Amino acid sequence: EDQVTQSPEALRLQEGESSSLNCSYTVSGLRGLFWYRQDPGKGPEFLFTLYSAGEEKEKERLKATLTKKESFLHITAPKPEDSATYLCAVQAEDSNSGYALNFGKGTSLLVTP
Amino acid sequence: DSGVTQTPKHLITATGQRVTLRCSPRSGDLSVYWYQQSLDQGLQFLIQYYNGEERAKGNILERFSAQQFPDLHSELNLSSLELGDSALYFCASSSRWDTGELFFGEGSRLTVL
Repeated sequence: EDQVTQSPEALRLQEGESSSLNCSYTVSGLRGLFWYRQDPGKGPEFLFTLYSAGEEKEKERLKATLTKKESFLHITAPKPEDSATYLCAVQAEDSNSGYALNFGKGTSLLVTP
Repeated sequence: DSGVTQTPKHLITATGQRVTLRCSPRSGDLSVYWYQQSLDQGLQFLIQYYNGEERAKGNILERFSAQQFPDLHSELNLSSLELGDSALYFCASSSRWDTGELFFGEGSRLTVL
């Protein structure tokens, strides 16, 4: 069964203090790995898609990387507005059950001034 | 604003009752997904429709049902409600049935007393 584990559950950073969030996954065949951001009281917002090991994507202060077993979301010099819950999801190659996303429980990030 | 509209935003009801949650996808999107989010389980996939047809099914209870109408809006029906059904219910849409890049609505918060 596909499994997605995110760590840490919660992370508190000072503004400007860079760090990384981890997403470990097990899936029979990876079709894609996705990062979403969720603000309190809102729905998740799509950030990145990664398809194969070694791939990297960047957006402002965020950079997502992928290996065969895990993905990292690196946050460089974060600002308070980066505070949110970051969700990782995998999509399996097996289409018998559709291509629905399997989400991790997320990392809650708080960036203080 | 993702372009996905969900109503109602909040709903309080009693055990044993039945409720209907409504979702209007982004203009042009044919695929609609329903997810349940609770504190302990995270985001759980319930069901997907594509252009009016059921495409994939997750861990949706038999007490729950959904449909997508010809105008592409979707409804999630929850019946014989239990305390444990209290959660945030998200609708998401996408243009393709096999993509992981979803656009989420702001959710419907259901409280069962």
